[in-house]
This record gives sequence, structure tokens and C-alpha cells, in this order.
Amino acid sequence: NAGVTQTPKFRILKIGQSMTLQCAQDMNHNYMYWYRQDPGMGLKLIYYSVGAGITDKGEVPNGYNVSRSTTEDFPLRLELAAPSQTSVYFCASSTDRELNSPLHFGNGTRLTVT
Amino acid sequence: GNSVTQMEGPVTLSEEAFLTINCTYTATGYPSLFWYVQYPGEGLQLLLKATKADDKGSNKGFEATYRKETTSFHLEKGSVQVSDSAVYFCALSASNTGKLIFGQGTTLQVKP
Repeated sequence: NAGVTQTPKFRILKIGQSMTLQCAQDMNHNYMYWYRQDPGMGLKLIYYSVGAGITDKGEVPNGYNVSRSTTEDFPLRLELAAPSQTSVYFCASSTDRELNSPLHFGNGTRLTVT
Repeated sequence: GNSVTQMEGPVTLSEEAFLTINCTYTATGYPSLFWYVQYPGEGLQLLLKATKADDKGSNKGFEATYRKETTSFHLEKGSVQVSDSAVYFCALSASNTGKLIFGQGTTLQVKP
């Protein structure tokens, strides 16, 4: 079972560069999420999606964009990287077929912007 | 707004010691409450959950009881092992879209 797969695992960007963090899940989950994890701050929700073609902002969406053209994929785009975006990014998914179903997380992408 | 507050870490214990990690929350309505665990280099995984007041979630020897009167969901384990060393996150869900609000995480280190 692949579950939630994130690529790349690590990336270093220069200020102003752009990149896309990839996320794919093979569990046919309708709900998908992007979180960022900063030391001592827990996880903050960036964007989420309740199904293909539907996305919405979370707590910290500025500087990011998402799309959800298929159920499986939920890429996160950084257009103009800034040092404040140095973080560990986690993608997660869950099913909408039961209330309070657990989130399944990928192993994360560690991004450094210098 | 909704929020979760956890006790500051790191928590360092000897093997077989008793563990408590405090978690309190602020929420409108009746949220569901969760504990997630993160082992080094991995994503988070669900440890246990409780969906209504007085429910007790349990898994792998860990327990937590949903206390509405004190807005708390403290995590406990009677006898910790070195393999329990990880970061523990308390979280709440107050919507039907599965979105979670996380606490800041508490690092647990268990020494042999």
C-alpha cells in the first residue's frame, strides 16, 4: 500500500524561485490537505480540498496555490519562494465516507529557502 | 476561534515511568478530539480519538478521556517504552470536512 506519496523529500530554493510539491494518494480519498510544520508551532493548514475541482484556503494560504484536477493528486505551488516558507510540508488525505475518519499523512517535504 | 494548547516539552522519562501529556482546547460546539504521533522522519499517524464527551480513546496502552467540563483531553500511559519516543500532537475537528487544528506538539524522550 503506497498510501500518500510526497515528492521531493528535500529541496533547497533560492529566494524568488518557484516550485511544485507533489502529492498523490491511492486510497480514493475525496478529502486532501496541505499542512506546514514549523518547530514549536504544530501544523498549520495551508489549503484543503473536498473533491476534484474544489479547493479552499486554510489558516496560512498566502504565498501558495493549489489545484485538484483528479481525485488522486493535490499539488502545492510556491510561486515566489521566500525565507518564511522554509518549513516541512505534509500532505494528508481522508475519506468522506465516515465522520472523523483519520488523516493519512505522507512523509513530508523539507524545504529550505535561502 | 478554535484552538488547542499542549504542555511544553520536551518530556524526558525513564522506561516504565507513567506518562501524562496535557491538552486543553477551545472550541464552539462539540468537536472531536484526537492524538497523533510522529516518529522521526515520518508523517503523523493517528494514535487515538474520542468523538463525544466522556468518551475514552485507547490504543497501544495509551488512553485519553474527553472531558467537556474541563475542556481537556490529556494523554496517559502507565508504563512507557523507549519505542514510545516521538512527538505527540493533540488535535480537534470542528467541521465536517475533516480539517484538523493541531496543538504545538510535545516531544517525548524515553531513556532505558
